[in-house]
Formats: sequence, structure tokens, C-alpha cells
Amino acid sequence: EAQVTQNPRYLITVTGKKLTVTCSQNMNHEYMSWYRQDPGLGLRQIYYSMNVEVTDKGDVPEGYKVSRKEKRNFPLILESPSPNQTSLYFCASSLIGAGANVLTFGAGSRLTVL
Amino acid sequence: ELKVEQNPLFLSMQEGKNYTIYCNYSTTSDRLYWYRQDPGKSLESLFVLLSNGAVKQEGRLMASLDTKARLSTLHITAAVHDLSATYFCAGGNTGNQFYFGTGTSLTVIP
Repeated sequence: EAQVTQNPRYLITVTGKKLTVTCSQNMNHEYMSWYRQDPGLGLRQIYYSMNVEVTDKGDVPEGYKVSRKEKRNFPLILESPSPNQTSLYFCASSLIGAGANVLTFGAGSRLTVL
Repeated sequence: ELKVEQNPLFLSMQEGKNYTIYCNYSTTSDRLYWYRQDPGKSLESLFVLLSNGAVKQEGRLMASLDTKARLSTLHITAAVHDLSATYFCAGGNTGNQFYFGTGTSLTVIP
């Protein structure tokens, strides 16, 4: 089944404790991206990647890192999480090209930073 | 930076009625998307609109795009309870960044 898989789905952590949220897709998509969803703010793009070793900042990259060492994986790294990073995070992927870029989303990862 | 505004933010409508959700965006956008999110779930794609005048329909939902007015609409015809969800529009630019609206929470009342 074509899908985007995120882990963990739920995580409670404490301020400053590094964490990684993994994202993997099995559709051979070139494009992958991360979003955070907060009430009243919709989804905001954190980082995106057009292909292996190519990453760019989205709208709200501060406090986050990403890497794209393999085409299928795009982990989101919080080096020193803070409470304002408590949010619902979505990874998404798509093909690139005219009429494409229709995002397939993962199930979401709910992160709480205490 | 592309800004996307949706209205209304909340919509409560009776079954069988028609209504329209509006999505305004601030600058030129290559393409306009509509996504649906059920409570506690992820987002699923509904439509992508690529050119001025584009219209797409699926069941009771119809989306259109007017690039001159920088406006997209999502029209709901004869609403049914299964359409209760949050609907997001999103604009994309040539840099492959995406900008989402704040979402419209739709509740269809029997």
C-alpha cells in the first residue's frame, strides 16, 4: 500500500531532550516536507526537500533540522525541544512535475514538550 | 510570501443545503489545492487546480479557481453528514513551498 509512515505517533518529552521524528515513504516520491498544525493557524511548512541531499527552509524552520540521505526517508530533528514546539506534525510527500505536487500525508505525530 | 485566507472558519449547515467556502490568496500562485481532514486524522487530497477558470467536481463537492481575483471556492451541494470535516485550501509556488489556509470546520446537521 502506498503510504507515508511517521513515528512515533505520540510523544511526550521534556525541554532540551533531543528527539527525532522519522518519516518514510514507499512511493518513490522526490518531494518530501514537514508541517506543523496548530489550532487557528492551519498547517505551516517547516522544511522541504526536492531530492536526496537537497533541503530548504519553509515558513517556520527555527528550532528544527532535517536530513535527506535516502530518497525514502526524511527525519525531523528537534535538537533542543521547547514547549512552543508542542504541536501536531505531519510529514508529506509527492511527485514533482506539472499537475503533480499533490501531497500524500502521513498520519501525524503529536508531540508534547514539557 | 503567499498568504492564504479562508472563510468562514466555522460552518454549520443543515443536510440538503448548499454552501460555499472561499479561499483568497495574496500573490500569484502556480496551483491551488483543497484538502480534507477528518477529526483526529490526516489530510487527504480533494482537488488541485492549475489554471484560471479550472473547475473540478467530485460528488457533492466542486472547486473552482479564478486567478485574476486570486480566489478559489469549494462549493458543497446538498450537504450530507459524511461531509463534516475540516477543509483546507493551500497555494503552491514555483519554489515548491506550500502555504495553507487556517481551515474551515464544517459540521453538517441532520
